[in-house]
Amino acid sequence: DIVMTQGALPNPVPSGESASITCQSSKSLLHSNGKTYLNWYLQRPGQSPQLLIYWMSTRASGVSDRFSGSGSGTDFTLKISSVEAEDVGVYYCQQFLEYPRTFGGGTKLELK
Amino acid sequence: EVQLVESGGGLVQPGRSLKLSCAASGFTFSNYYMAWVRQAPKKGLEWVATISTSGSRTYYPDSVKGRFTISRDNAKSSLYLQMNSLKSEDTATYYCARRDYTSFAYWGQGTLVTVSS
Repeated sequence: DIVMTQGALPNPVPSGESASITCQSSKSLLHSNGKTYLNWYLQRPGQSPQLLIYWMSTRASGVSDRFSGSGSGTDFTLKISSVEAEDVGVYYCQQFLEYPRTFGGGTKLELK
Repeated sequence: EVQLVESGGGLVQPGRSLKLSCAASGFTFSNYYMAWVRQAPKKGLEWVATISTSGSRTYYPDSVKGRFTISRDNAKSSLYLQMNSLKSEDTATYYCARRDYTSFAYWGQGTLVTVSS
């Protein structure tokens, strides 16, 4: 199984500052079609997860351009510029290259 | 508007069975792979099952393989998860999700399953 490992944030993050969340996979997520099968989700308190980023760097419909994804085949970063109150929650990375689909353990973002 | 509404959760004893349902609306259900993802209390996300558009192909992690069965009724725009031989570690909120290409683009609100004597 592909293991997804997420880093922690130096919480709380001051409002208006940027925050970067890291994720590492135990295997390259680069598909033969040139796309990297890495997704990012946000789960706000008391809510269901929502898709933020797919194919490592493509924002899902309706997602603020304050969110951006980048990385290589095994190391990934989700950057949130100018953190706002609505960004609070737990962020998960997920690989979609192979079964079983696996998630990282989550990274909590708290606001100062 | 895409809507996924789960139901069927509740308290069940270890070793017993439970069947979850997910009612889909706002899109052509038969065109999409569907999945179940669960979240144990205060824990992270765990993928549980995926089913192809026709239902002919299903996928499971080892943790539930042989005990859980995902199915669908395209005529009713409904997704199901039959859970047998339930264990305490199956206690979780179960989410229904629509697969778009290579992600889970839409999620339901979840239904809580508690396995306890």
